[in-house]
Amino acid sequence: KQEVTQIPAALSVPEGENLVLNCSFTDSAIYNLQWFRQDPGKGLTSLLLIQSSQREQTSGRLNASLDKSSGRSTLYIAASQPGDSATYLCAVGHYGQNFVFGPGTRLSVLP
Amino acid sequence: DTGVSQNPRHKITKRGQNVTFRCDPISEHNRLYWYRQTLGQGPEFLTYFQNEAQLEKSRLLSDRFSAERPKGSFSTLEIQRTEQGDSAMYLCASSSGQGYEKLFFGSGTQLSVL
Repeated sequence: KQEVTQIPAALSVPEGENLVLNCSFTDSAIYNLQWFRQDPGKGLTSLLLIQSSQREQTSGRLNASLDKSSGRSTLYIAASQPGDSATYLCAVGHYGQNFVFGPGTRLSVLP
Repeated sequence: DTGVSQNPRHKITKRGQNVTFRCDPISEHNRLYWYRQTLGQGPEFLTYFQNEAQLEKSRLLSDRFSAERPKGSFSTLEIQRTEQGDSAMYLCASSSGQGYEKLFFGSGTQLSVL
C-alpha cells in the first residue's frame, strides 16, 4: 500500500527566501507525481505534474524534481512571497488507479 | 472551461439524515474522482469513474456511501444515515484521458453533522 509523507509539516519563512518542500513515497512504481496548492477552506490547485520518465518540471518560480528510485520529490520555491502562503500537497499516481496524497506542508511567508 | 463545480458549498445536517452532493466536472473530462478531507490531512480517496463506469471504490467507503455518474457527465455522492464522523470536506476532481493528466479540483462541499 502506497504511503506518502511530507516534511516539514509546517514552515514559516521571511519574504524573499528560497525554500524546499519534501515529499516521500514508499512504492516507487509510480506513474506520475503532482504538487498542489490549497488555500484555507478551498479546493486544490495543481501546480506541477511530473511523469515518471521525467526528472523535473518548472513553472515560474516553482521547480519540482522527482527521484523515483529513492521515492522522493522536492518542490523548490524561489524568492518566496506572502501570496505563496498556503498548504502544499503532493500526490502520487499509479497506472489506471487513483492518486494518493500526502498530508501537506503548511507554509507561511512573512512580509 | 468553467472549472469543476460542486454544490452545495456547505451542508449542515443532523445525525441520521441523508445528504447528497453534486459535482459537475470540466465538460471534456472523462475521469471523475471523489475525495474526503479532514482538517490537517491530505485528501483521502473515496471512488472514481471513467465515463459512467465506477472503476474503483475505497474499502474505507462504507455501504452508507454511494456514488453515481449517469451518462458520464455530472456525479452525485450520497451519504445515508449520516454520522458525526462523516463531517469533512468532500472534494470532487476531474481529469482527461486515462488518469495520467493533471487533476482539477472543485471548491468542495463542507459537511457538518450535528
